[in-house]
Amino acid sequence: GAVVSQHPSWVICKSGTSVKIECRSLDFQATTMFWYRQFPKQSLMLMATSNEGSKATYEQGVEKDKFLINHASLTLSTLTVTSAHPEDSSFYICSARGSGNTIYFGEGSWLTVV
Amino acid sequence: AQKITQTQPGMFVQEKEAVTLDCTYDTSDQSYGLFWYKQPSSGEMIFLIYQGSYDEQNATEGRYSLNFQKARKSANLVISASQLGDSAMYFCAMREGRNYGQNFVFGPGTRLSVLP
Repeated sequence: GAVVSQHPSWVICKSGTSVKIECRSLDFQATTMFWYRQFPKQSLMLMATSNEGSKATYEQGVEKDKFLINHASLTLSTLTVTSAHPEDSSFYICSARGSGNTIYFGEGSWLTVV
Repeated sequence: AQKITQTQPGMFVQEKEAVTLDCTYDTSDQSYGLFWYKQPSSGEMIFLIYQGSYDEQNATEGRYSLNFQKARKSANLVISASQLGDSAMYFCAMREGRNYGQNFVFGPGTRLSVLP
């Protein structure tokens, strides 16, 4: 079946640095990928919709200059958290549509900013 | 208004028993899809089952079945013969409209604990 791979699974970075998270569709092409953020004990909140070859569409309240999204190919989207702060510490997860109606998720990335 | 409502923040079930996790949704679209995902403590989202708005039969996948009541706008997940490994968060989600590339919305989730 369709598989979405996300890397890294967890990362610790210092305040002020940037960190990149990759989301790959391994056996299908995904023209659209989605990035979510999940705070502890809460549901997933959509951050942005990533479209291959064009600019991402950000949800209200999400800083596009802070959360840079690049969808350079049909199998790869990246989320870069720039100038990270401790409040950016969270669980970030991507998803992509596979064949049919199913949306598949990556494994998620735990980000801790110290 | 909440598009997806899951009224049970937490549920307990005895191992080997069946459990129903509630989900109600709100949409004015005629075409939509309903999904259930399982999220273990490790964080990944595991697809469980899908029900299309035009599907006449309730979806089933192994021990998972979806009790789809369109008029009541409910899509409850039934897990039969619960196992300890079923302990996790469960999210109901909906995709609206015919644009399959669109995102969908999630409910707040239900934490299921299976007791030995």
